[in-house]
Amino acid sequence: EADIYQTPRYLVIGTGKKITLECSQTMGHDKMYWYQQDPGMELHLIHYSYGVNSTEKGDLSSESTVSRIRTEHFPLTLESARPSHTSQYLCASSESVLRVGHNTGELFFGEGSRLTVL
Amino acid sequence: QKEVEQNSGPLSVPEGAIASLNCTYSDRGSQSFFWYRQYSGKSPELIMFIYSNGDKEDGRFTAQLNKASQYVSLLIRDSQPSDSATYLCAVRDNYGQNFVFGPGTRLSVLP
Repeated sequence: EADIYQTPRYLVIGTGKKITLECSQTMGHDKMYWYQQDPGMELHLIHYSYGVNSTEKGDLSSESTVSRIRTEHFPLTLESARPSHTSQYLCASSESVLRVGHNTGELFFGEGSRLTVL
Repeated sequence: QKEVEQNSGPLSVPEGAIASLNCTYSDRGSQSFFWYRQYSGKSPELIMFIYSNGDKEDGRFTAQLNKASQYVSLLIRDSQPSDSATYLCAVRDNYGQNFVFGPGTRLSVLP
């Protein structure tokens, strides 16, 4: 079972509010990711990090920001939420190095944070 | 641009049949390949991974990899209604940096 946790699981908030989606993992993974996914649609990478103090933007442009001050923690922040930000946000982590026969190199997902902006 | 392609479906099979899901990828340097299952409203969960050419079996699931053809497939034997979900193909690049996901194939197993 994956040890990666997201809070809140569900959030309904008004336009203009600042929100932070929390993500923590206890597996000691260096790499962490944020994906955005609308219902029935593809996963889109919006942010990733290879380690502490490392953050990069993903393939999909996003108005959100992230930080990585501690290995286990990778929060995502929206300074001013808009209805267009309504979506599911999935946090994930993986080991840095694939060691064939020792690890799977897979991506572990949290349960997701479903955001609705009114 | 690294790409992973899948038929979006829906793929409908009767209960007890074999479901065959296909995936092609563009980056020849890709090293590891994953199949994730995603139920509606849930997060993806890993069901199979494969590194080497050939077949890998785990219960009712078989992953097949052909690096020369840049092709990876997933076979589900004795399909059950509970297998109805979206199946995501993911490829990890040669440097182990990032994952590229396909758009997913929706599978529907009819009772």
